[in-house]
Amino acid sequence: DAMVIQNPRYQVTQFGKPVTLSCSQTLNHNVMYWYQQKSSQAPKLLFHYYDKDFNNEADTPDNFQSRRPNTSFCFLDIRSPGLGDAAMYLCATSRGPGVRNQPQHFGDGTRLSIL
Amino acid sequence: KNEVEQSPQNLTAQEGEFITINCSYSVGISALHWLQQHPGGGIVSLFMLSSGKKKHGRLIATINIQEKHSSLHITASHPRDSAVYICAVSIYNTDKLIFGTGTRLQVFP
Repeated sequence: DAMVIQNPRYQVTQFGKPVTLSCSQTLNHNVMYWYQQKSSQAPKLLFHYYDKDFNNEADTPDNFQSRRPNTSFCFLDIRSPGLGDAAMYLCATSRGPGVRNQPQHFGDGTRLSIL
Repeated sequence: KNEVEQSPQNLTAQEGEFITINCSYSVGISALHWLQQHPGGGIVSLFMLSSGKKKHGRLIATINIQEKHSSLHITASHPRDSAVYICAVSIYNTDKLIFGTGTRLQVFP
């Protein structure tokens, strides 16, 4: 089945130690999104890619970076994780651009803990 | 004030009950989405609506564009329906979603 796969499901890192989360998709979708979701809160968009065009949300901290080396893969890098970065990180895809009103397809998420 | 408001925040029900979750929004949208998130899990898209009503199994979603309001109904609820239900809207002319804070539903046997 075509899907959005996130690895790992659970990630533990130390305060200040760089960490990378990965997302892959077999849907051949043009757009990939990274969301941060803290406990009992709505997902918050960090950034998204239209193909290779990177779009950063204005309030996304500089500590967060992203890479999309090809259509299938997208990475979220946290350069110096702080305790406040502990959250569920969700990857999603959609067909866009030019294809409006399409649902986003979500992965199962990576739950990041900071020690 | 959030641009997407859901009610109630928490909901408990006995198996078999009819459930309604409400969503109101205050921005121009091109579509409204109902999403389901199980504890510790990813998000599954249930419905995408731009008008009228959609039905899938025991789930029904309606939207009133003039009133900027949508409802998600679950008929004959079951414990496996226990999850967080999230309303999200696609902002007109973009691919971005604005999410509500979700409704946590627990259905007891």
